[in-house]
Amino acid sequence: GQSLEQPSEVTAVEGAIVQINCTYQTSGFYGLSWYQQHDGGAPTFLSYNALDGLEETGRFSSFLSRSDSYGYLLLQELQMKDSASYFCAVMEGGYQKVTFGTGTKLQVIP
Amino acid sequence: GAVVSQHPSWVICKSGTSVKIECRSLDFQATTMFWYRQFPKQSLMLMATSNEGSKATYEQGVEKDKFLINHASLTLSTLTVTSAHPEDSSFYICSASKTSGRSGELFFGEGSRLTVL
Repeated sequence: GQSLEQPSEVTAVEGAIVQINCTYQTSGFYGLSWYQQHDGGAPTFLSYNALDGLEETGRFSSFLSRSDSYGYLLLQELQMKDSASYFCAVMEGGYQKVTFGTGTKLQVIP
Repeated sequence: GAVVSQHPSWVICKSGTSVKIECRSLDFQATTMFWYRQFPKQSLMLMATSNEGSKATYEQGVEKDKFLINHASLTLSTLTVTSAHPEDSSFYICSASKTSGRSGELFFGEGSRLTVL
């Protein structure tokens, strides 16, 4: 079966950099996505990696190592509004199945 | 970005009744939609993958007779919770992919919070 593990909680200071890790076990791996979800809201897409390496989108970057079944999301210049839950999600067989990780609750403090 | 609309946002029902939740892709065609449920402070659990014009693929442990999914058109998928019980109370959320959009991106509806009394 599939499993995706993330740290449950992370606390970081405003203006700092934080890294959220994701390790996965799955078959038919196609790519790894990252989503942000504020309490009571719907997840919103942040980044996607299909190949090894770093993808940068503004303050957010995502990294993937397929050989290690590992990825991370890097958030720079943290802002208070970044306090939310962050999920990694594995895509299998194209869009045939998308499974979410356990989620990491990020708290940004002044 | 693409828009996915989900209705209703909130629903309260009595135990034993059925509830239908609609998920619409407003400005694109979605051949595949996903239905998730999320309990408070937990992750999104995939319930089923809905494919237009064919039967849904359910995840292990999800009762297909209890959670009926219909994807009759390229813009609409519905989830019906039949004979709902209090343990079915949860946040149900749909998502769809856009073939011409950014790779790996799912567009989510606003979610439907179901409370079964």
